[in-house]
Amino acid sequence: AQSVTQLGSHVSVSEGALVLLRCNYSSSVPPYLFWYVQYPNQGLQLLLKYTSAATLVKGINGFEAEFKKSETSFHLTKPSAHMSDAAEYFCAVKNNAGNMLTFGGGTRLMVKP
Amino acid sequence: DGGITQSPKYLFRKEGQNVTLSCEQNLNHDAMYWYRQDPGQGLRLIYYSQIVNDFQKGDIAEGYSVSREKKESFPLTVTSAQKNPTAFYLCASSRGTGVAYGYTFGSGTRLTVV
Repeated sequence: AQSVTQLGSHVSVSEGALVLLRCNYSSSVPPYLFWYVQYPNQGLQLLLKYTSAATLVKGINGFEAEFKKSETSFHLTKPSAHMSDAAEYFCAVKNNAGNMLTFGGGTRLMVKP
Repeated sequence: DGGITQSPKYLFRKEGQNVTLSCEQNLNHDAMYWYRQDPGQGLRLIYYSQIVNDFQKGDIAEGYSVSREKKESFPLTVTSAQKNPTAFYLCASSRGTGVAYGYTFGSGTRLTVV
């Protein structure tokens, strides 16, 4: 069964600094991977997804993620953090049948002025 | 604009009561899902439905029930058998069940037992 692990339940960066949120996956077949963002008391919004077309995936709000098979990773990055990026971020993987998304535990990003 | 509407946004339940959370979508999506979110535990799947009149249990279905009588609607009932129902509940939908399809989420219902 596919699964994802997010390293670090809380990440704190200064405004303008690089954002790096880590996600490692476990899958016996090529995975389909997703990053979502959740603002307080809101639903989840899709940031980007990897569907094997390209290893570097660009998403909304300046975020991107790189699929690295050798490292079984799909880390989310943004060159320069904004205060508005403060939120919780979830990595997720689709199962083989395509009918279920499994989420990681989430990483709460805090941005300091 | 199309989307998913969850209601109510906040819900309070007395112990021993059943409550029903509403989820409606106008995206013409086939599949719908219910997740429970607790602090530090991510999202856990309660039930999902791929077509009308059919649904499957997720990882934590005990104490919950659902119905899917219409494509647009997927209500979740939290029964008195659910011992710890206080949580944030999220409904989602997907165009289909292909691996590349992501989910569209509603804005959630926060349920509190009083």
